[in-house]
Amino acid sequence: DAKTTQPNSMESNEEEPVHLPCNHSTISGTDYIHWYRQLPSQGPEYVIHGLTSNVNNRMASLAIAEDRKSSTLILHRATLRDAAVYYCILRDPLAGNNRKLIWGLGTSLAVNP
Amino acid sequence: DAGVIQSPRHEVTEMGQEVTLRCKPISGHDYLFWYRQTMMRGLELLIYFNNNVPIDDSGMPEDRFSAKMPNASFSTLKIQPSEPRDSAVYFCASSDQGSWLAKNIQYFGAGTRLSVL
Repeated sequence: DAKTTQPNSMESNEEEPVHLPCNHSTISGTDYIHWYRQLPSQGPEYVIHGLTSNVNNRMASLAIAEDRKSSTLILHRATLRDAAVYYCILRDPLAGNNRKLIWGLGTSLAVNP
Repeated sequence: DAGVIQSPRHEVTEMGQEVTLRCKPISGHDYLFWYRQTMMRGLELLIYFNNNVPIDDSGMPEDRFSAKMPNASFSTLKIQPSEPRDSAVYFCASSDQGSWLAKNIQYFGAGTRLSVL
C-alpha cells in the first residue's frame, strides 16, 4: 500500500476553519483517499473519502490535488468536539482479498476555546 | 444497531494470567478486525476474518495470541500467558462487503484497555 505523510500535530481556535494536510506522492490511480478520526478514549470513526474530485459531507470536506499526490481535510468551523487524531489512509478497493487499512500515527488536532 | 460491542472496557491482570477479550460485530457485517493500539506503535492490525474464517493473521505478535470467530456475531482475542508488554488498547472493528467495496468503512468498538502488571 502507498504511504501517507501527515504532520504530528496541529492547533486551531474554536469556530475557525482547519486544514489538515496529507501527502501521498506514491498514490496509484486506483487508490481511494480515506480519512478517519479518533476522539479521546474512543475507537476511530470514518470521516470522508474520495478518489479524484473534491467531496463534501456533514462532517467535513476533502480537497484532492489535481495530481492526487496530496489532499486536505477541511473542517469548516472547528469545535471543541473536533479535537482528535486524524488519519489519512490510502486503499485500493480492487486489491484482491487484502482488506487491510495501513494506519500511520495521524495528526493530533488541538482546538482552543 | 448498537454498533460494535466490546467487553470488558477495562481489564487489569497479572503477568502470566490468561486474558480473553470479546467482540460482537455489527449484525450483517462479514469482516471482523482486531487491532492493538499503543503510544509507540499506533494502531496495528492483528488479524482479520471474513465470514468467520481468519484471512490474515500476520500481525499477531506471537503464539501467545490467538483469535477465534465461532459464529458471525462473536469473536474472541485471547492472550495466554499475558505479559506487561501486552498492555495496550485493543479494538475490534467490523465491515460489510458493500461498505468495503464502496467506501472501505470500518466501524470500531470503544476498545478494551488492558493493563498487565
